[in-house]
Amino acid sequence: QMQLHESGPGLVKPSETLSLTCSVSGGAVTSYSWSWIRQPPGKGLEWIGYIDYSGNTNYNPPFNSRVTMSVDTSKNHLSLTLKSLTAADTAVYYCARDRPKWEGDACDIWGQGTMVIVSS
Amino acid sequence: DIQMTQSPSSLSASIGDRVTISCRASQTISLYLNWYQQKPGKAPTLLIYTASSLLSGVPSRFSGSGSGTDFTLTISSLQPDDFATYYCQQTYSPPRTFGQGTRVEIK
Repeated sequence: QMQLHESGPGLVKPSETLSLTCSVSGGAVTSYSWSWIRQPPGKGLEWIGYIDYSGNTNYNPPFNSRVTMSVDTSKNHLSLTLKSLTAADTAVYYCARDRPKWEGDACDIWGQGTMVIVSS
Repeated sequence: DIQMTQSPSSLSASIGDRVTISCRASQTISLYLNWYQQKPGKAPTLLIYTASSLLSGVPSRFSGSGSGTDFTLTISSLQPDDFATYYCQQTYSPPRTFGQGTRVEIK
């Protein structure tokens, strides 16, 4: 069974860049599309964007100028980079596997999430 | 962007109750509507995709219906494990927006 595991720095200073990794086990990262989603403390889910099996990306407009998603096939993992952090970026960050379009692009496997706190 | 509005924002129900949660899209999304369950401190889990398809392994007391702009998640007989927050998500067009969530609490 496929499993996802996010990892990151935990604490980042304002204006700095966040780098997160999502390790994929039990399947090839190139076989699926992947979403990144975040959840500020006590709030709802916010879709950041997706990257497909060809490396094509689609980002939520509020993140367009700050976010980069990539796939590393040699390590079988995904990466998320988010620049110019502010306190509003404090959240739990999730990676998730997308089902095919004809199955709704639904996120059927999620990582456990990694908490990121932006604070000086 | 397509806005997703869930109602109610929260509800209280008893074990065995039938529970319905509504999700309305600001424009038509065909059947591209998914439902997730999230428990405190845990990642969301997928329940239903494409409006009414039950994910394998999800109890049959969960069902989804609707098309176009109006959708419903129904729990036919609420169980103790079902107390959680439920989110709808549209994947008709990016950005793939979520509803604000519906918290199901014990009465």
